[in-house]
Amino acid sequence: GAVVSQHPSRVICKSGTSVKIECRSLDFQATTMFWYRQFPKKSLMLMATSNEGSKATYEQGVEKDKFLINHASLTLSTLTVTSAHPEDSSFYICSAGVLRETQYFGPGTRLLVL
Amino acid sequence: QKEVEQNSGPLSVPEGAIASLNCTYSDRGSQSFFWYRQYSGKSPELIMSIYSNGDKEDGRFTAQLNKASQYVSLLIRDSQPSDSATYLCAVNWDGGNQFYFGTGTSLTVIP
Repeated sequence: GAVVSQHPSRVICKSGTSVKIECRSLDFQATTMFWYRQFPKKSLMLMATSNEGSKATYEQGVEKDKFLINHASLTLSTLTVTSAHPEDSSFYICSAGVLRETQYFGPGTRLLVL
Repeated sequence: QKEVEQNSGPLSVPEGAIASLNCTYSDRGSQSFFWYRQYSGKSPELIMSIYSNGDKEDGRFTAQLNKASQYVSLLIRDSQPSDSATYLCAVNWDGGNQFYFGTGTSLTVIP
């Protein structure tokens, strides 16, 4: 149990385009989903916390207008990177959890912006 | 400022030895503690969770929690080359939604 999926697993796009990443909890309903970014050989960086039906809470320094998060249901959250630039190239990972319980990570989405 | 600290390593141990990974945290009110393993290029996967003081064993893995000293550790017995990865410590402060991760310790098991 506790499977989290992400789609796509890998995406290459041109600078200036927008990219949407989906995160789904497949066998449980997550009260909260989290979005992380990780650069090579660096630690996880929490970008935002997403609760179903409410606005996401962004960490300091993360532009909410650039990284749009929609949490439409207890099993689906999406992250849209708007007007992507090469510096947005990174490994984006979502996780899903229930209050106080373990966070389960998706397999990640590798974004490359040319 | 809530903090979770880990030695970044790299930590190298020979195959078959015990690997010991440590994590300290700043908030005495922390309630839940987790160890994740992350292979290069992959997302983290849960190894252990621990909520109470003492030891918790699962196969070759043992998590140890000492709330008075504010540390949590992970022991890996009979280390295998496949255990080579980065190990992340995570702490849940208040029973709510927020988890805080350490920067991870890189472990290499030498055949």
